[in-house]
Amino acid sequence: AQTVTQSQPEMSVQEAETVTLSCTYDTSESDYYLFWYKQPPSRQMILVIRQEAYKQQNATENRFSVNFQKAAKSFSLKISDSQLGDAAMYFCAYRIADSNYQLIWGAGTKLIIKP
Amino acid sequence: DGGITQSPKYLFRKEGQNVTLSCEQNLNHDAMYWYRQDPGQGLRLIYYSQIVNDFQKGDIAEGYSVSREKKESFPLTVTSAQKNPTAFYLCATHDELGSYGYTFGSGTRLTVV
Repeated sequence: AQTVTQSQPEMSVQEAETVTLSCTYDTSESDYYLFWYKQPPSRQMILVIRQEAYKQQNATENRFSVNFQKAAKSFSLKISDSQLGDAAMYFCAYRIADSNYQLIWGAGTKLIIKP
Repeated sequence: DGGITQSPKYLFRKEGQNVTLSCEQNLNHDAMYWYRQDPGQGLRLIYYSQIVNDFQKGDIAEGYSVSREKKESFPLTVTSAQKNPTAFYLCATHDELGSYGYTFGSGTRLTVV
């Protein structure tokens, strides 16, 4: 079965510091996509970053970057220079590269930013 | 602007009532999804549709029903058979390949009164 595990229910970080959120997944597929979504208090789900499994280079979007370890099936999210607006639930998700497959979601990590 | 619209933002249901949540998209996407989110938890799939006039049950379909008569619309009905309907409901869509993830609506908060 395909699963996504986020082992940290809650994380906190001092403003301007760096934090890493963990995500592991289980799959036998070789071609897939990985995503990190952010859900702030407004509850709008926002795509933060995506990674294609066939690409070795780690994706980066401004202060957000991933550490993608395909062999270890690990996909962690690093947030640099944390800002108060980064406070949110963060969800890791996985999808097989086929239009008939759905996203498989992790349970989420609540990120608290300390001023 | 292309996007996905959910309405209403807040909905109150009396015991024994059916209510319908609206989800409309103008992105011309075939795939649409309904998720339920309970406080502090992740997303659970209720129903999904990959094409007009066809839909599939997700993990928690009991007590819910959907229709897909038009490409742009995927309404969700919460029936009286759903014993604990109070939750946040999210509708989502993705393009043909889905390689850029899902686009979500802003959600509907349903409360039983």
